Amino acid sequence: AQKVTQAQTEISVVEKEDVTLDCVYETRDTTYYLFWYKQPPSGELVFLIRRNSFDEQNEISGRYSWNFQKSTSSFNFTITASQVVDSAVYFCALSPMNTGFQKLVFGTGTRLLVSP
Amino acid sequence: NAGVMQNPRHLVRRRGQEARLRCSPMKGHSHVYWYRQLPEEGLKFMVYLQKENIIDESGMPKERFSAEFPKEGPSILRIQQVVRGDSAAYFCASSPPSQANTGELFFGEGSRLTVL
Repeated sequence: AQKVTQAQTEISVVEKEDVTLDCVYETRDTTYYLFWYKQPPSGELVFLIRRNSFDEQNEISGRYSWNFQKSTSSFNFTITASQVVDSAVYFCALSPMNTGFQKLVFGTGTRLLVSP
Repeated sequence: NAGVMQNPRHLVRRRGQEARLRCSPMKGHSHVYWYRQLPEEGLKFMVYLQKENIIDESGMPKERFSAEFPKEGPSILRIQQVVRGDSAAYFCASSPPSQANTGELFFGEGSRLTVL
């Protein structure tokens, strides 16, 4: 079975703090993709990153960074120097090969509140 | 280059009425997916369609729900005899054939259905 767990339901930080959002996944497939999406209060889904299972290099994009650890089945997301505009719900998702990569399995999301 | 267009953005229906949600994929995209997001939950896969074909409807409720993607025109998600539990955000996503096996989906802004 495929599953994505985001254990943190809600995180509150003050602006400029660093924050890490956890994501743990389960799949029997050796080939899969992992994603992070942002859902701001306006409701749309904003694509942040896609990572395939063979690429364990960490990635940095501006204030965002991702730590993929296959050994622990985790794909954590860190926001450095958080800003109020980062307030949103963040979803981690898995796309396994056994579905032909056609379906995304989403976690339940982590709501991030950044206060000034 | 317009993104995935969904309409209506908001729809209110009374119990027993029908709801029709439309999705126009990005230009050149022939694969359409529908996901449902219940309040305070992550997105759940409903159905995957290509032009004139339903490829995978394993996430669709067995009754009252149907989807189509005709040769011409948008994809339609139809919910008959709506009940309060159908209140949710319905997201459409599309992908071009070349990306269909990488899980890279482009999401619309969602249609929010409220059943009174």
